[in-house]
Amino acid sequence: GAVVSQHPSWVICKSGTSVKIECRSLDFQATTMFWYRQFPKQSLMLMATSNEGSKATYEQGVEKDKFLINHASLTLSTLTVTSAHPEDSSFYICSARDPSTGQDTGELFFGEGSRLTVL
Amino acid sequence: GQNIDQPTEMTATEGAIVQINCTYQTSGFNGLFWYQQHAGEAPTFLSYNVLDGLEEKGRFSSFLSRSKGYSYLLLKELQMKDSASYLCAPMDSNYQLIWGAGTKLIIKP
Repeated sequence: GAVVSQHPSWVICKSGTSVKIECRSLDFQATTMFWYRQFPKQSLMLMATSNEGSKATYEQGVEKDKFLINHASLTLSTLTVTSAHPEDSSFYICSARDPSTGQDTGELFFGEGSRLTVL
Repeated sequence: GQNIDQPTEMTATEGAIVQINCTYQTSGFNGLFWYQQHAGEAPTFLSYNVLDGLEEKGRFSSFLSRSKGYSYLLLKELQMKDSASYLCAPMDSNYQLIWGAGTKLIIKP
């Protein structure tokens, strides 16, 4: 299947600093990527939909100025957590669909996830 | 509203069979996915059902009844590595996946 790679896998930062997480589709072009956050023992929560060449679409309650998303190419989307605080500590996961398997209905391929710990 | 209902946790024995049920309510429906998620890892795709009936894929099978808003994942010949959370995720009219908290499956020797 298609491969989505996420980096870094683990990151620890001080409160008030910014952290960038990269999501790459390695063997397909993704016009749309999805960013999720997952707290322990809870469901995946969609934060935003990243659209190549245009602004991301944020879910209700997600601060767009705090979680900056850039989708500058068909294979790369980045999520920047700005001025991170301990409550932002979570597991962040990106995903994308391989257009060849169905633009809307194809399976989602997930990155490995990035565990953020803010001290 | 949109809702997913799965058991929080299930326990089964190695080599046995287990069925994980899922009922859902969504605004429109464009199919249902099952994903497996090991602790600390991202989900991996198991199956996709859009028509009623049973889809079999190796040791795993998934069933869908659209009229009942019901699906199940059947795991046969359970192995220790099957210990994970299993996420039922229907897709709504906007092609957005609706995620529940999943079912944590514990396999005992």
